[in-house]
Amino acid sequence: EDQVTQSPEALRLQEGESSSLNCSYTVSGLRGLFWYRQDPGKGPEFLFTLYSAGEEKEKERLKATLTKKESFLHITAPKPEDSATYLCAAHSGGGADGLTFGKGTHLIIQP
Amino acid sequence: SQTIHQWPATLVQPVGSPLSLECTVEGTSNPNLYWYRQAAGRGLQLLFYSVGIGQISSEVPQNLSASRPQDRQFILSSKKLLLSDSGFYLCAWSARRTNTGELFFGEGSRLTVL
Repeated sequence: EDQVTQSPEALRLQEGESSSLNCSYTVSGLRGLFWYRQDPGKGPEFLFTLYSAGEEKEKERLKATLTKKESFLHITAPKPEDSATYLCAAHSGGGADGLTFGKGTHLIIQP
Repeated sequence: SQTIHQWPATLVQPVGSPLSLECTVEGTSNPNLYWYRQAAGRGLQLLFYSVGIGQISSEVPQNLSASRPQDRQFILSSKKLLLSDSGFYLCAWSARRTNTGELFFGEGSRLTVL
């Protein structure tokens, strides 16, 4: 059974304090690893897709990386507006439903 | 560009009442469409997905149903709501042609069953 585990469940940082969020996955035949940002009461917003180990993607203060077993979302010098829940999902390509989500990391950036 | 609309945004319904949530996608053709439910501490749960008009696959047995009357319209329904149906419902689409797995979500519908 495909599994995606995110850690920590919650993270509180000071503004400017860099850190990383972890997404560990166990899927049969990974076809893609996705990161989403979700604000309270809103739908998830797509951030990145990673396809192969060693790949990196960047967007503003966020950088996503991928290994054969996990993905990291690095947040550099975060600002309060980066506060959100970050979700990762693994796509195993098993048809239209071959997507497994983690439970998310709730990130709070304090000014 | 593609957009996805979902409504209503908020709904408060009594137990035993019917439900209808609607979702439409613009700017793309032949999308895969999905209904997810998100509960606190449980993550996203896939309820239904559809690869075409009239084609619905159910992931979880429940008193909910889904329909796809048009290519870019997806409806989530119930004849009689239960307390356990309360939650945050999300509609999403993905490109069927490429099937890269990338999902794009609507803004969500918060359902409270009293």
